[in-house]
Amino acid sequence: AQSVSQHNHHVILSEAASLELGCNYSYGGTVNLFWYVQYPGQHLQLLLKYFSGDPLVKGIKGFEAEFIKSKFSFNLRKPSVQWSDTAEYFCAVNARSSSASKIIFGSGTRLSIRP
Amino acid sequence: NAGVMQNPRHLVRRRGQEARLRCSPMKGHSHVYWYRQLPEEGLKFMVYLQKENIIDESGMPKERFSAEFPKEGPSILRIQQVVRGDSAAYFCASSPSPPGTGVGLNTEAFFGQGTRLTVV
Repeated sequence: AQSVSQHNHHVILSEAASLELGCNYSYGGTVNLFWYVQYPGQHLQLLLKYFSGDPLVKGIKGFEAEFIKSKFSFNLRKPSVQWSDTAEYFCAVNARSSSASKIIFGSGTRLSIRP
Repeated sequence: NAGVMQNPRHLVRRRGQEARLRCSPMKGHSHVYWYRQLPEEGLKFMVYLQKENIIDESGMPKERFSAEFPKEGPSILRIQQVVRGDSAAYFCASSPSPPGTGVGLNTEAFFGQGTRLTVV
């Protein structure tokens, strides 16, 4: 069964700092990978996704993530964070197969940006 | 095209009552997922349904919880005889087909705004 680990529970940065949030998954087969963001009091929104092709994917709001298959990782990055990036970030994975499979989420990383 | 609609947004139930949470997927979406989010915790998968079928219910508690997605109408997550520990935010997501499959392999799951259940 697949699982997702997010190493940092709470990250605190100053504005303009660079961001990298770790995500590792465990599954031996082909996977689809996602990063979702949840702003305070709101629902989850998709930041970016990886299905196949270029392992460096770019999402909305200047975020990007790199799929490193050998490390089973899909870390989220942003070169310069803003106060409005304060939110909770979730990495998610689902096993690619011809049949349906569930999407599994990590426990989330809370990002706090100091103005 | 309206997004995933969940209602009610907030639901208060006394211990022992039943809670019914509704999720209307996006138009054209036949796959629905339910998740529970406890305070300070991540999203825990509960159940994955396709129209009239339960695909995966490995995350559902064995008792008191059930889910359905009928041919017509919304998906329903039903919690019988609620207890304080059921207090959480329940999110529904929908997709037109399993993620990473379908035309162009470009499907993803879209989330609703959630139902916050409080058991008093």
